[in-house]
Amino acid sequence: DAGVIQSPRHEVTEMGQEVTLRCKPISGHDYLFWYRQTMMRGLELLIYFNNNVPIDDSGMPEDRFSAKMPNASFSTLKIQPSEPRDSAVYFCASSLGLGRGYYGYTFGSGTRLTVV
Amino acid sequence: AQTVTQSQPEMSVQEAETVTLSCTYDTSESDYYLFWYKQPPSRQMILVIRQEAYKQQNATENRFSVNFQKAAKSFSLKISDSQLGDAAMYFCAYGKGNNNDMRFGAGTRLTVKP
Repeated sequence: DAGVIQSPRHEVTEMGQEVTLRCKPISGHDYLFWYRQTMMRGLELLIYFNNNVPIDDSGMPEDRFSAKMPNASFSTLKIQPSEPRDSAVYFCASSLGLGRGYYGYTFGSGTRLTVV
Repeated sequence: AQTVTQSQPEMSVQEAETVTLSCTYDTSESDYYLFWYKQPPSRQMILVIRQEAYKQQNATENRFSVNFQKAAKSFSLKISDSQLGDAAMYFCAYGKGNNNDMRFGAGTRLTVKP
């Protein structure tokens, strides 16, 4: 397996523009997570899905952020409109949950978003 | 809520020497998992080592080992024979397999001096 695949690796956009980040989880993993990493706040969980269903979106900063998982192999995180304070590295991760075989998350390589 | 604390923002070690990174956590649960992740400059988060709380034996992976003290809620990472490639941010994390919500510490930046 190629691991968790995120695109794009870097994104520079102007304030007010829509940004879409993409993620392909590891095949067979039934959990998918979106995290944001900044120097000030560290790693923050934004939202996670189980079997394509959003379970907890309490970490989504505001209505400008939305996430979807239309099928088991694809998820998007959208920011509309984007603001400079959204600049961060956004990680997608996937995992198999439950039981004694819990090995935590496998992370993608992240998308560095810069909003100017 | 479970919290994870890494009290050392930065550490440095001489190449070939041993270094220990500290982590404490707070939980009322008895069954959980602990992890150390490495984030090199490439920013990829890589799982280094994993510990199941119900196992008393400390986990080891080659040059990496942990000192798991369940009563003290402590989970330190020891890196032996440090190499230049070990330079990275190291994150301690706590997770429970049933709800899959993993908590991360703030990280420790490790520098390896040649």
